[in-house]
Amino acid sequence: DIQMTQSPSTLSTSVGDRVTITCRASQSISRWLAWYQQKPGKAPKLLIYKASNLQSGVPSRFSGSGSGTEFTLTISSLQPDDFATYYCQQYNTYPYTFGQGTKLEI
Amino acid sequence: EVQLLQSGGGLVQPGGSLRLSCAASGFSFSNSAMNWVRQTPGRGLEWVSVISVSGDPIYYADSVKGRFTISRDNSKNTLYLQMSSLGADDTAVYYCARGAPDYYDYWGQGTLVTVSP
Repeated sequence: DIQMTQSPSTLSTSVGDRVTITCRASQSISRWLAWYQQKPGKAPKLLIYKASNLQSGVPSRFSGSGSGTEFTLTISSLQPDDFATYYCQQYNTYPYTFGQGTKLEI
Repeated sequence: EVQLLQSGGGLVQPGGSLRLSCAASGFSFSNSAMNWVRQTPGRGLEWVSVISVSGDPIYYADSVKGRFTISRDNSKNTLYLQMSSLGADDTAVYYCARGAPDYYDYWGQGTLVTVSP
């Protein structure tokens, strides 16, 4: 199985900060990577697909980049609504696998 | 509005069975691959199974293969997950999710399955 490793696991941040989350794959996944946001008690929400494509309705402060084995999710200016946990997911090879999550804390 | 409304979770004894349902509306269910994904505090998000538009192919995670069966009824816009031989490791919140086709653009609200004596 392809292992997805996110860093950091937790990030202490403030409103207005620029935030970057890294996701590394144990083997190349081309650009077959998605990013999700999850708030407590809620289902994950799709933010980014194919590494850098913004899902409809997602604010433009979210962006994704990378290919191969290293990917990043960037939030350009953190808003109060962005405090959540973020997951990457590879969909290059079954079983599709998720990172362990990065929690943004105030 | 896209909605995936889940039902069927609950408490079940080890070795028991349970069926989850996911009723879809607001999109063309019959033209969408559908998935089950589960989440635990310890293992995080784990893809469980996918069923294609036609019902073939179907894939399962190794952890559930031979015990879980995914199915769909396109006439009822409903996705199912039949779970049997349940163990403590199957305790999780289970989500249905639409495949787009390989990432998940819409998710159900989640249903808790607890396997305990």
